[in-house]
Amino acid sequence: GAGVSQSPRYKVAKRGQDVALRCDPISGHVSLFWYQQALGQGPEFLTYFQNEAQLDKSGLPSDRFFAERPEGSVSTLKIQRTQQEDSAVYLCASSLRQGPGAGELFFGEGSRLTVL
Amino acid sequence: AQSVTQLGSHVSVSEGALVLLRCNYSSSVPPYLFWYVQYPNQGLQLLLKYTTGATLVKGINGFEAEFKQSETSFHLTKPSAHMSDAAEYFCAVRSEKLVFGKGTKLTVNP
Repeated sequence: GAGVSQSPRYKVAKRGQDVALRCDPISGHVSLFWYQQALGQGPEFLTYFQNEAQLDKSGLPSDRFFAERPEGSVSTLKIQRTQQEDSAVYLCASSLRQGPGAGELFFGEGSRLTVL
Repeated sequence: AQSVTQLGSHVSVSEGALVLLRCNYSSSVPPYLFWYVQYPNQGLQLLLKYTTGATLVKGINGFEAEFKQSETSFHLTKPSAHMSDAAEYFCAVRSEKLVFGKGTKLTVNP
């Protein structure tokens, strides 16, 4: 497709379950970002990849959160032993350019996670 | 560290009235500034961006924003609100990563 694709769009998990969220960026985009958006809040940065290298993971809230992008294209955000506070929309974005600068970020529609 | 402050979590205007959404930023380097719009259950869509050059930036749907370095502001305006403008608006600043404000929910009354 032409845009950033995320799946699943909706996920309900029981507390303690592991979840995996997938992001398929725009073809050829070097940079990939994950954001967490809690209800009524702005998106909060989680982690950033440049190709397959994870350059910044300073926003990951705990060691239960793990992201990978092994071939520099599709990325997976994994959350282990989910907690209720993990309930949020997880947004993925990609950018053509690498490094600091003005490259526009293109966002997917997000994966809404609800932890019961 | 970079940060963004959006003044007013909720703004309500009448259809046809001026829209003004305020954004102030903090950045240690010349900033790249963005406004995004988010409709319910949808992703973020870029309205406009400031990189370098002209400080008055025009975007989609009749929106524009002016970069004022002396005031560290990047306020978003639209001369005449339309019902379809009702959404949440996010100001953001970027160096390596994009840092968002908390958002302003715009309501347009008939």
